[in-house]
Amino acid sequence: ETGVTQSPTHLIKTRGQQVTLRCSSQSGHNTVSWYQQALGQGPQFIFQYYREEENGRGNFPPRFSGLQFPNYSSELNVNALELDDSALYLCASSLGSARAAYGYTFGSGTRLTVV
Amino acid sequence: AQTVTQSQPEMSVQEAETVTLSCTYDTSESDYYLFWYKQPPSRQMILVIRQEAYKQQNATENRFSVNFQKAAKSFSLKISDSQLGDAAMYFCAYRSADYGGSQGNLIFGKGTKLSVKP
Repeated sequence: ETGVTQSPTHLIKTRGQQVTLRCSSQSGHNTVSWYQQALGQGPQFIFQYYREEENGRGNFPPRFSGLQFPNYSSELNVNALELDDSALYLCASSLGSARAAYGYTFGSGTRLTVV
Repeated sequence: AQTVTQSQPEMSVQEAETVTLSCTYDTSESDYYLFWYKQPPSRQMILVIRQEAYKQQNATENRFSVNFQKAAKSFSLKISDSQLGDAAMYFCAYRSADYGGSQGNLIFGKGTKLSVKP
């Protein structure tokens, strides 16, 4: 059983650029969520995908977008990067179903630095 | 909106001793799930323990146990026989049981940094 893998592990981008972060879900998991964790803070929910459709979104602007593919891998895209986008981005996969509480399997994150 | 508060930014414990990390939450829902996650320097969030709100019995996982007080909206984590490998950031998290849209997401506290002294 594979866990959740994220790539790249570290990334430095310039303000105004675009970035794509990637996540490979745990085998059998059909739901993926993305979180932003600023330094010294707890993770904050960006959005969630279930069966390739976005089915939940946190308080993040539209320049944060995502995709989920048929193999349940996922991408997080951020356009027009701002300095405040510097953070650890965590991907979490789960077996989504109503009233399920199996918890989430997290990846080790991508550390994004915007300069 | 639900919130999670961890009032202890840092805690320290002697190896083999017991430590309790505090967490309070605010919600108007009656059915939900609570979690404790550990985040070591490797950055990966690791599930430590999970509690279902409709279960009165406190969850336990080996050396980890919780004290769930639903009326007080309190969810503390007790670590017994602390080990050096327990040193990490610990996050308390809430999730609505109404699994629909963004209600399926986790709401985290700001975390408690636990140090274990040899």
